[in-house]
Amino acid sequence: NAGVTQTPKFRILKIGQSMTLQCTQDMNHNYMYWYRQDPGMGLKLIYYSVGAGITDKGEVPNGYNVSRSTTEDFPLRLELAAPSQTSVYFCASSLEGSYEQYFGPGTRLTVT
Amino acid sequence: DAKTTQPTSMDCAEGRAANLPCNHSTISGNEYVYWYRQIHSQGPQYIIHGLKNNETNEMASLIITEDRKSSTLILPHATLRDTAVYYCIVRVAGGTGTASKLTFGTGTRLQVTL
Repeated sequence: NAGVTQTPKFRILKIGQSMTLQCTQDMNHNYMYWYRQDPGMGLKLIYYSVGAGITDKGEVPNGYNVSRSTTEDFPLRLELAAPSQTSVYFCASSLEGSYEQYFGPGTRLTVT
Repeated sequence: DAKTTQPTSMDCAEGRAANLPCNHSTISGNEYVYWYRQIHSQGPQYIIHGLKNNETNEMASLIITEDRKSSTLILPHATLRDTAVYYCIVRVAGGTGTASKLTFGTGTRLQVTL
């Protein structure tokens, strides 16, 4: 199993540009999550999904959109990128009711 | 979810036990204590969790006080590869829906030295 994979690893965006961060898991987990981590801080939840077609907001959803058309994929869309979205983005997945979340390697995004 | 308090940083000599404390004085009866760690630039990794009994696995031991208001993660023989930020998280075990979320603080930065 590859686990949770994320692409790209790094990206630089200009203010106002848009992009999609990709996340795929091959563990047949029904729960998936997007977190962001600013320098020196803990992770904050952006959006999560409990299954295909079902998404919900986390702590910091503004400026982001998600979709979940399949069990495997959970892309995060940034519209009109802003410098405040400069961060490292982590995708994670888990089974329903599980105590363990599995994290991807992260995408480092810089908006200038 | 209950709030947790951890020291900002700790040092440990390689080969010695690393004892990482966590205070969670407002923990509820149905909330578990979870520990994750994040090695530099990587995604967090689950370590261990427990309710009220002490727990041990191949990575670490978790000691929870009888009143459950604090706990200690023990790495019995720390190595350089254990240098990481360690997060203590309290939440309902096996949560579904909104209860599945993890709330990360800033954690404890453990530096293991030669």
